[in-house]
Amino acid sequence: AQTVTQSQPEMSVQEAETVTLSCTYDTSENNYYLFWYKQPPSRQMILVIRQEAYKQQNATENRFSVNFQKAAKSFSLKISDSQLGDTAMYFCAFMARINFGNEKLTFGTGTRLTIIP
Amino acid sequence: DSGVTQTPKHLITATGQRVTLRCSPRSGDLSVYWYQQSLDQGLQFLIQYYNGEERAKGNILERFSAQQFPDLHSELNLSSLELGDSALYFCASSVLGRASGANVLTFGAGSRLTVL
Repeated sequence: AQTVTQSQPEMSVQEAETVTLSCTYDTSENNYYLFWYKQPPSRQMILVIRQEAYKQQNATENRFSVNFQKAAKSFSLKISDSQLGDTAMYFCAFMARINFGNEKLTFGTGTRLTIIP
Repeated sequence: DSGVTQTPKHLITATGQRVTLRCSPRSGDLSVYWYQQSLDQGLQFLIQYYNGEERAKGNILERFSAQQFPDLHSELNLSSLELGDSALYFCASSVLGRASGANVLTFGAGSRLTVL
């Protein structure tokens, strides 16, 4: 079974600064995907960024980028130029491409990020 | 609006009762997933359906059941409710069937269940 660990329950950073959220995972699979989801106070789950394990290049989406270290099973999220709207719970998630039609997300426990004005 | 519709948004009921949560997936999505999020916890996978058939099961209690109908909407039935069942229940959908690429789940806004 796969496990996802987020060791930072809470973080806070000043607006416009850069912050990095940590995530490690454990799997015996070689082909898988990693995701970061954001859950703002509205509780909606919003996809932030995703990474395919077979791609060595780190994914980037505007101010959001990841540092994917496959050997270390590490998948951190970097938020640059943080904005007040980035205040949310951030979940790291893992999906193994095991069988077609049998793919689910396994989530970490989340990191509550607060952006301070 | 994510395109995944969940009803009801809020539900308050008593212990021992039975409720049904409904989910309409995004247009074109064949797979539906149910997740439970207890207060300030991570999301726990309950069950997945693909085109009407159960495809994966997580730690879903025997008191809970689900199904996906021919029109692809899904229902999660929770019975003999206990206080600990109070949670936010998310439905997500995905296309699957793609030749390549990640299976991206799109989440609904959730149904908040309070058991008193």
